[in-house]
Amino acid sequence: ILNVEQSPQSLHVQEGDSTNFTCSFPSSNFYALHWYRWETAKSPEALFVMTLNGDEKKKGRISATLNTKEGYSYLYIKGSQPEDSATYLCAPEGGGADGLTFGKGTHLIIQP
Amino acid sequence: ETGVTQTPRHLVMGMTNKKSLKCEQHLGHNAMYWYKQSAKKPLELMFVYNFKEQTENNSVPSRFSPECPNSSHLFLHLHTLQPEDSALYLCASSQESRGLNTQYFGPGTRLTVL
Repeated sequence: ILNVEQSPQSLHVQEGDSTNFTCSFPSSNFYALHWYRWETAKSPEALFVMTLNGDEKKKGRISATLNTKEGYSYLYIKGSQPEDSATYLCAPEGGGADGLTFGKGTHLIIQP
Repeated sequence: ETGVTQTPRHLVMGMTNKKSLKCEQHLGHNAMYWYKQSAKKPLELMFVYNFKEQTENNSVPSRFSPECPNSSHLFLHLHTLQPEDSALYLCASSQESRGLNTQYFGPGTRLTVL
């Protein structure tokens, strides 16, 4: 079981503002990092899978970076919209085990 | 719709009941998973099946019994549960259980144990 920390636990952001949050994970035995978005009353939905140190992925207004040497990833949302309100989960893959170990998530609320 | 369905969506059961949760994926995947989401806790991996073989059992109590008859179906058999087992149970599938495979989640079963 990997130790995964996400911060902050919750975040209120004004519509139109940009924001970011962090996922920390053990840097040893690292294989990949997954980001998921989980909207209320829906299923978790995959955003990114990242593997290489310095990797950056982008999907619309959402982007993520990865530092495997120090064991962290940032998720950025530019120009937040109400539909971005969700819990954002990260899950490192590694340690020789099947399946993913999820963090507690960052609960993002966009205020109009 | 993610291609992963779960039934029932809600279940209330007594501690002496036996019930089963069902998951079905229509994505042609070979790996299936059970996760548990309790209040104020992270999503916890319970079981992993890859090509119908169980590859992970994350120290889950024996009152939870998984079954994977084929790559498309996954069951979680429940018996003599405790109130603290009340949670959201999510099923997921992926192409295989390792190697950058994105997992696709079902809508979950909300379980209440009285």
